[in-house]
Amino acid sequence: SQTIHQWPATLVQPVGSPLSLECTVEGTSNPNLYWYRQAAGRGLQLLFYSVGIGQISSEVPQNLSASRPQDRQFILSSKKLLLSDSGFYLCAWSPGLLFDSNQPQHFGDGTRLSIL
Amino acid sequence: EDQVTQSPEALRLQEGESSSLNCSYTVSGLRGLFWYRQDPGKGPEFLFTLYSAGEEKEKERLKATLTKKESFLHITAPKPEDSATYLCAVQAPGSARQLTFGSGTQLTVLP
Repeated sequence: SQTIHQWPATLVQPVGSPLSLECTVEGTSNPNLYWYRQAAGRGLQLLFYSVGIGQISSEVPQNLSASRPQDRQFILSSKKLLLSDSGFYLCAWSPGLLFDSNQPQHFGDGTRLSIL
Repeated sequence: EDQVTQSPEALRLQEGESSSLNCSYTVSGLRGLFWYRQDPGKGPEFLFTLYSAGEEKEKERLKATLTKKESFLHITAPKPEDSATYLCAVQAPGSARQLTFGSGTQLTVLP
């Protein structure tokens, strides 16, 4: 079966510091990968998605970037964090071969990021 | 622009008191409507996908239905362990990579 792992679970960072959140998927090949942010009491906002190694699409221009150095690894980064970057960050995957079909996305347990 | 509106924002039920959650959507050509359950501090857990009006899916005490404008998540005789936030999301043609999520309904079932 497929599993998705995110770490760390909780992170407290000062304003202006760098960020690196990691997500890995096991049990599948060529997955589509996604990064979302969820504000308190709000729905999920898609930040980035990737259909393959080195292929990143950005949905919302902002202070963050994403990279996919390996097939099942997705990294969310920032060079300098802003207060507005606080939130709950979620990684998700869906089957890659069926990318253009309506397959569900499956989520990790998220990282709670607090900027001080 | 795709829009998803969920109501109510919060719902408190007594154990055994059945009710329904609503998800209204505006999308040009629905490819799929998804229901997720989210527990506090956790990622959303996939429940159902509905593809066309008239379709129904069931899982234990949950039943999801779909019309051309909205979806309902019916909860029959809920238990305290059904307490969670329920999210719905839509997927449209030409944007198969993207789900548009509603803000969710926070359900509390009291013993």
